[in-house]
Amino acid sequence: GAGVSQSPSNKVTEKGKDVELRCDPISGHTALYWYRQRLGQGLEFLIYFQGNSAPDKSGLPSDRFSAERTGESVSTLTIQRTQQEDSAVYLCASSSGHWGYNEQFFGPGTRLTVL
Amino acid sequence: DAKTTQPNSMESNEEEPVHLPCNHSTISGTDYIHWYRQLPSQGPEYVIHGLTSNVNNRMASLAIAEDRKSSTLILHRATLRDAAVYYCILRAYHGGATNKLIFGTGTLLAVQP
Repeated sequence: GAGVSQSPSNKVTEKGKDVELRCDPISGHTALYWYRQRLGQGLEFLIYFQGNSAPDKSGLPSDRFSAERTGESVSTLTIQRTQQEDSAVYLCASSSGHWGYNEQFFGPGTRLTVL
Repeated sequence: DAKTTQPNSMESNEEEPVHLPCNHSTISGTDYIHWYRQLPSQGPEYVIHGLTSNVNNRMASLAIAEDRKSSTLILHRATLRDAAVYYCILRAYHGGATNKLIFGTGTLLAVQP
């Protein structure tokens, strides 16, 4: 079946511009996560959505970052006034629940380059 | 969150078994042990998870110490495609928390032909 998809696969932008990254989770998955991976480093958690509950935004690095999710479908991550340190691969994952035994399925990521 | 400790890197020869260790001495009774791997230029992929008993699936086996303070991911016959960074992650059972995956630095596995 279809996995998690993300678009665009690559995005090059100029410092100060806003960008929107999109994630299409696996159909029926109630939990959706955004992570960031800087070059040569591990993944950092950004934000989490579970059904209609309030999202956990504890990982967002600044108020320039925001995300939305419509029901249990598509999510968009928005970065306003991009800075060079925002350059990274942004990964989205979904799972059927948020229990300890639920595996997360990752998308291929969006590589963001801020010039 | 309980932490895990893994070697930075390991090497293996193709067709040979690989044992990837992970220490998690502060694990709680309700933490699941998850393993993910990340192939070059790809998102992480789930490998296996367990709670107390050893687990087998088509990708690998997970051996969990009796005191649960360590575990070992076993790839029975390494292939070149298994070259990746392997992450050992603890995940709480309860659903009240976000239960995000907390990635450490993982073990970079190199497989020699």
